[in-house]
Amino acid sequence: QVQLVESGGGVVQPGGSLRLSCAASGFTFSTYGMHWVRQAPGKGLEWVAFIRYDGSNKYYADSVKGRITISRDNSKNTLYLQMNSLRAEDTAVYYCAKGCACSYEYFHHWGQGTLVTVSS
Amino acid sequence: QTVVTQEPSFSVSPGGTVTLTCGLSSGSVSTDYYPSWYQQTPGQAPHTLIYNTNTRSSGVPDRFSGSILGDKAALTITGAQADDESDYYCVLYMGSGIWVFGGGTKLTVL
Repeated sequence: QVQLVESGGGVVQPGGSLRLSCAASGFTFSTYGMHWVRQAPGKGLEWVAFIRYDGSNKYYADSVKGRITISRDNSKNTLYLQMNSLRAEDTAVYYCAKGCACSYEYFHHWGQGTLVTVSS
Repeated sequence: QTVVTQEPSFSVSPGGTVTLTCGLSSGSVSTDYYPSWYQQTPGQAPHTLIYNTNTRSSGVPDRFSGSILGDKAALTITGAQADDESDYYCVLYMGSGIWVFGGGTKLTVL
């Protein structure tokens, strides 16, 4: 079955950097687009970024554009999120989600999330 | 700035029927937005319920159904059960690689 396991979360100071990973198994990773979605404490879900199955196209929410980079290594079945210039408002649980290999790429399967806390 | 609107909260009696909606701050929701719906209980990851307006995800009971009602997407729960008490989120695909979540609806079953 599909498994998505996020890691790399933790406490980081404002202005710092962090790289999240999402290890995928149970499906052919290299044929699916992948998302990152976050949820601030007590708040709703927010789409963060999407990368096509081959890494050829990447899309970002305006709130993170220029500070966050999504990438993938299909040889390692792993999705990444490089976060720089972190702010307090980036504090959230970060979920990776598998797309559907369809044009609208809804969030088909979800990982359990990893918590990022930006605090001095 | 596109805002996707949802009722902040809703209440339903056990066995009752409830319809949650998903709208746009400007304009109408149509199937062209490929609305999808997600259920989340506190402390858990979201779970996919409905995609492409009205297609149930694998394993989702047929008590859950999606549709377009007027100018909004809708999620209807028929025969509500206690464990349906959750937060429900809709997502609209705006095209050009942009997805927007609604603010979520907190559903209480009592």
